[in-house]
Amino acid sequence: EAGVAQSPRYKIIEKRQSVAFWCNPISGHATLYWYQQILGQGPKLLIQFQNNGVVDDSQLPKDRFSAERLKGVDSTLKIQPAKLEDSAVYLCASSLEARQPQHFGDGTRLSIL
Amino acid sequence: DQQVKQNSPSLSVQEGRISILNCDYTNSMFDYFLWYKKYPAEGPTFLISISSIKDKNEDGRFTVFLNKSAKHLSLHIVPSQPGDSAVYFCAALSGSGNTGKLIFGQGTTLQVKP
Repeated sequence: EAGVAQSPRYKIIEKRQSVAFWCNPISGHATLYWYQQILGQGPKLLIQFQNNGVVDDSQLPKDRFSAERLKGVDSTLKIQPAKLEDSAVYLCASSLEARQPQHFGDGTRLSIL
Repeated sequence: DQQVKQNSPSLSVQEGRISILNCDYTNSMFDYFLWYKKYPAEGPTFLISISSIKDKNEDGRFTVFLNKSAKHLSLHIVPSQPGDSAVYFCAALSGSGNTGKLIFGQGTTLQVKP
């Protein structure tokens, strides 16, 4: 079974620029999550999708972050404009259904200069 | 407000001995807990979980214990192997119905010495 795929693996941008991350979940997984992991901390949920609908985006900074999951499969997370404090690893995870163990991709490491 | 806490940033044990990783939580509504292992430059990998209706769950060398009255859980690895060296995250599943937010602790770095 192929795991969660994410790209790019690394991204370096200057503050105020925009950036996008892509995630392809495990086939058949209805639930998709984006987490932000700042160095030295555990991952923090940004947004959860059930199929192509948003279930929880309460911790997504909506003035600069946006996410979509078209057709209930792939997902993209965008930051525009980026701030220095957005430097982190962005992890995508998927699960068969909500409240099932989540399986994570290897993440995108974002550095803001 | 840190709802899930791992108070030991690091732990070092000898190969073949027991590793015990600890985790405390504050919200008594949490009903499902998970442990993840993370190697450098990789995403967290699901290790083992436990429901709040149980006090113990075992899978090979890994056992998770849950003490609901103390709001404490622990992961035991016996015997520890050098390949177990990684960062271990404790997580609690929050929400109900279609929501399934994992709330993570800060992680504990385990080093198993040969």
